[in-house]
Order: sequence, then C-alpha cells, then structure tokens
Amino acid sequence: EAQLVVSGGGLVKPGGSLRLSCVASGFTFSSYSMNWVRQAPGKGLAWVSSMSSDSKYIYYADSVKGRFTMSRDNARNTLYLHMNSLSAEDTANYYCAKHCTDTVCLDFGGQGTLVTVSS
Amino acid sequence: QSALTQPRSVSGSPGQSVTISCTGSSSDVGGYNYVSWYRQYPGKVPKMMIYDVNKRPSGVPDRFSGSKSGNTASLTISGLQAEDEADYYCCSFAGTSWVFGGGTKLTVL
Repeated sequence: EAQLVVSGGGLVKPGGSLRLSCVASGFTFSSYSMNWVRQAPGKGLAWVSSMSSDSKYIYYADSVKGRFTMSRDNARNTLYLHMNSLSAEDTANYYCAKHCTDTVCLDFGGQGTLVTVSS
Repeated sequence: QSALTQPRSVSGSPGQSVTISCTGSSSDVGGYNYVSWYRQYPGKVPKMMIYDVNKRPSGVPDRFSGSKSGNTASLTISGLQAEDEADYYCCSFAGTSWVFGGGTKLTVL
C-alpha cells in the first residue's frame, strides 16, 4: 500500500519561505506523476501543482505560480514543494498525492503537514 | 481553474438515499471521464470513494455510486448509515490540472 509522509510545515511570517517534503514508500515512486493538494482550515481541497514522473512536465495553480516550485528526487523517493513569498492565503494543510495506478485520479497516501503564515 | 459547484449541505435519514451534484464545464467534468469523489472525516485524510465517474475502489461498499451527464457529475449514497456523515468532494481532471468541488457536508438525521 502506498504511503506518503509529508513534513516541513510550521509557522512562517508573511513573505517568508518554507520547503515541504513528501517521502514515498510502498510503490515505485519513479514511475508515478505526483501532486500537491492543500486545504485551508475549514475549507475545501485545492490542487496546487503536478509533476510528471521524469520531472519533465510541471504544472501549477494560478494562485501559486511564480512563488511555489515543485521538484522531486527519484533516487530518494522524495517530492518537494518550495514555497516563497508566503501570505496568509497560503495557510493550509498540504497533502502529497500520487496519480492513481492505471487511471487518472489522485491517491492521497497519508496525513499532510500544516503551514501557518502569520506575523 | 474555477472550483466545481457542489451543494454546501445535504441530509437524509438512515436507510434513505441522497445524491450530491458536482457541476463544472466542458473543460473539466464534461471533457473527461475522470471524475472522482472523496469522503473526508474531520481531521482525516480524504478517501477515494469513486473514480472514473462510476468505479469503486476495492473495499468501498456498492451503496456508493457515481454518474455523469454533460458537465454535471453525481454521487449517490443509498441505504444511508450514520458512518456516512462526512464531507464529500468531487474532483475532475482538467487537462493539465485538477479541479475540486467546494465540498458537501452530508448529515445523517
């Protein structure tokens, strides 16, 4: 069973930066496209970014484009989200999700990490 | 990248059926047969209940079913049980992105 362990969240001041990590296990990480999805407190789910298995294709939501950078290290089975110029609107629980096997959907593999942007 | 439209809340009594709608556009729901539904309990990770519009992952009871017509997808839960009370989110592939619905709170009366 796929396991995705996210870390790196915490309290950061407006304008600050943070890097999230997602360590994968239980599946062949290098074969799957990966995604970040966030959920603001008391709000719904929102897609943040996607990356192909070979890092060739990367897509971002308009709300984070130019501020967030997604990357991966297939040798370490790890996905990253580098977040810059953070604002209160980025406060959320950040989940890592893998593409489903054999079809097109998102498979959430574990608890996310909470990012709080506040002065 | 506009969110899909879901009712904010629905309710039903045990044993009844409820349907949650999810309306998008031809760029997402209407353009792909890649609509999925997630159930989320407070403080928990979303769990997939339906994928590819109407398929159930292993272990999901057949009380849960999905359908789609045009730009609107639907999740129907029959034989409501107390444990079905949760938030439900639809999600659609949109080519190079994913779009979620705003979520629907299901209350079992």
